[in-house]
This record gives sequence, C-alpha cells and structure tokens, in this order.
Amino acid sequence: GQQVMQIPQYQHVQEGEDFTTYCNSSTTLSNIQWYKQRPGGHPVFLIQLVKSGEVKKQKRLTFQFGEAKKNSSLHITATQTTDVGTYFCAGIPNSGYALNFGKGTSLLVTP
Amino acid sequence: DAGVIQSPRHEVTEMGQEVTLRCKPISGHDYLFWYRQTMMRGLELLIYFNNNVPIDDSGMPEDRFSAKMPNASFSTLKIQPSEPRDSAVYFCASNRQGVSYEQYFGPGTRLTVT
Repeated sequence: GQQVMQIPQYQHVQEGEDFTTYCNSSTTLSNIQWYKQRPGGHPVFLIQLVKSGEVKKQKRLTFQFGEAKKNSSLHITATQTTDVGTYFCAGIPNSGYALNFGKGTSLLVTP
Repeated sequence: DAGVIQSPRHEVTEMGQEVTLRCKPISGHDYLFWYRQTMMRGLELLIYFNNNVPIDDSGMPEDRFSAKMPNASFSTLKIQPSEPRDSAVYFCASNRQGVSYEQYFGPGTRLTVT
C-alpha cells in the first residue's frame, strides 16, 4: 500500500534558525496536506497542495509539492518558540479519499 | 461551531473490559474518520464513514475493534475486550466532500488499559 515517509523524526533548533521537514510518498498523490500538532493537542490543518510544482506561503512557512507529486516539503524561516510542535504531511493517492499520514517531524525551538 | 466533540477525554480501564469512545462530527460533514496515535506507529487510520456507511475498515486492528455510525451526528468506536497494547490517543475527524479534503480533528480520547 501507499507509504508516506517523513524526515527528520526530530529537529532541535535555536530560535531564529530555519527548519525544513521533508515528505516522500511511494506512489503519486492527488494532493498533499500539512498538519501541525502542539504537545498534548490534536492535528490542525495548515495547508493543501494540489498542483505539480506548487509553492504556497503562509507568513514564515513555505510549502512545496514536487513536480512528480510524490514529495513535499515545509520550510519555516526564522523559527519562533510558537512553532514548537509536530508537523505531519498527509497524502491522498490518486484513487481514494483517506489521508495517509507520515510519522511527523517534532520541532523543538529553544530561545 | 463547536467543532468535533469526543468523549470521554480520558479513559483508564483494566484489561478485558469493554471500552466505548464517542464522537460527534461537525454538523453538515458527511465523512467521519477514526484514528489511533501512538509513539511507535504514529497516526493510523482505523476506519472511515461516508454518509454513515463504513467505506474502509482495513485499518481496524482486529475483531476486538468495532465502529458504528447510527446517524450523521454520532459515531462510536468500541474495543472489547481491551488489552494494554490498545493504550493510545484515539482521534475522530470529519470533513465535507466537495469543499476541501481538510479534516477537522476532535480533541482526542487518551485511553490507558492496565
């Protein structure tokens, strides 16, 4: 079945440093979503990417969807302590409706 | 809108007991998903419903797990009998087809089986 791999598993940065997490699927995706989960909380939707090569920005966050629609990345510029949490990518295959979540990247930001 | 509602928020039970988790999706949403989250396995899809009908239950671990959705505003996930390895956080999520694939998650139920 479809697998979504996400790296790194953990990342510890100093406040102000940049952060990137990468997501790879074993199969082509119809779209990919990103979620953020704060410690003790629940996943919260950040964004959805649909088009090949798509790039979207939300303030300091930049999301990319690969040309082959099999990989994606999330880049955070100048991290802040409020960015702490686990970032998940989740892909939907070309045939199907359910999200397949990666295992997430846990980000720790120290001031 | 109250969002997705789950109850109980915490459940501690002994091995062998029956456990029932409850979910109320967002009004107007026609898809409902049950997930399980553990450190080892991450966020796993257990089952999902469309218009109260189970569509894919391939993620349900075994026969001890069952899920129902008797109407558009209520779903249950039952574990009988429970085992220590079932300890996890169980999330319910919902969305509405045709609007976005975005899923709205409930606060989760933290289940501990001793």
